[in-house]
Amino acid sequence: QTVVTQEPSLTVSPGGTVTLTCASSTGAVTSGYYPNWFQQKPGQAPRALIYSTSNKHSWTPARFSGSLLGGKAALTLSGVQPEDEAEYYCLLYYGGAQLVFGGGTKLTVL
Amino acid sequence: QVQLQESGPGLVKPSQTLSLTCTVSGGSISSGGYYWSWIRQHPGKGLEWIGYIYYSGSTYYNPSLKSRVTISVDTSKNQFSLKLSSVTAADTAVYYCARALVTADEWFDYWGQGTLVTVSS
Repeated sequence: QTVVTQEPSLTVSPGGTVTLTCASSTGAVTSGYYPNWFQQKPGQAPRALIYSTSNKHSWTPARFSGSLLGGKAALTLSGVQPEDEAEYYCLLYYGGAQLVFGGGTKLTVL
Repeated sequence: QVQLQESGPGLVKPSQTLSLTCTVSGGSISSGGYYWSWIRQHPGKGLEWIGYIYYSGSTYYNPSLKSRVTISVDTSKNQFSLKLSSVTAADTAVYYCARALVTADEWFDYWGQGTLVTVSS
């Protein structure tokens, strides 16, 4: 069974920069996995942030960016705001209509 | 702007079938170009993809749930539905419907608000 791994939790100071990563048990994450990133705040549905590694939706704040880093997908927040405190999930596409979410990273802004 | 809304019973008895419907507004399912999807989230846990359907009726399911899942579409009502059979307490979760582009690069751009389904006698 394919497992997608994220950091369980990270803490960042307001105005700081933090990078969340997303690893696959099958090996290096490439653009062919079309990494997507979602933000979820308590009691809310997830909100799409990044698709296909680094593309932003029209509503995605400029401080969010996606990339590939060291064989993983990465989500970087630059100039973190208090409202960025949330759970972040990555999603990888394995082809054959197989989609796997990562376990999520709880980001604390402190 | 597309909106999705889940509906269905909030309480299902063990061994019965969970049935949910997602109503789409602001866009037509039959126009093509999108997969219509179900995702769930166990209480306090992460997200789990259940499956999705194309307007033509083609379906794709998570292998771990495939034997119990049926997703169908009713283009006349602009709705798609989820049926999960033989439920147990482990199926208690918030169930979301969402939309995804068929190009496979842009997943779940729009989501419903989610509906909590509890499996209990």
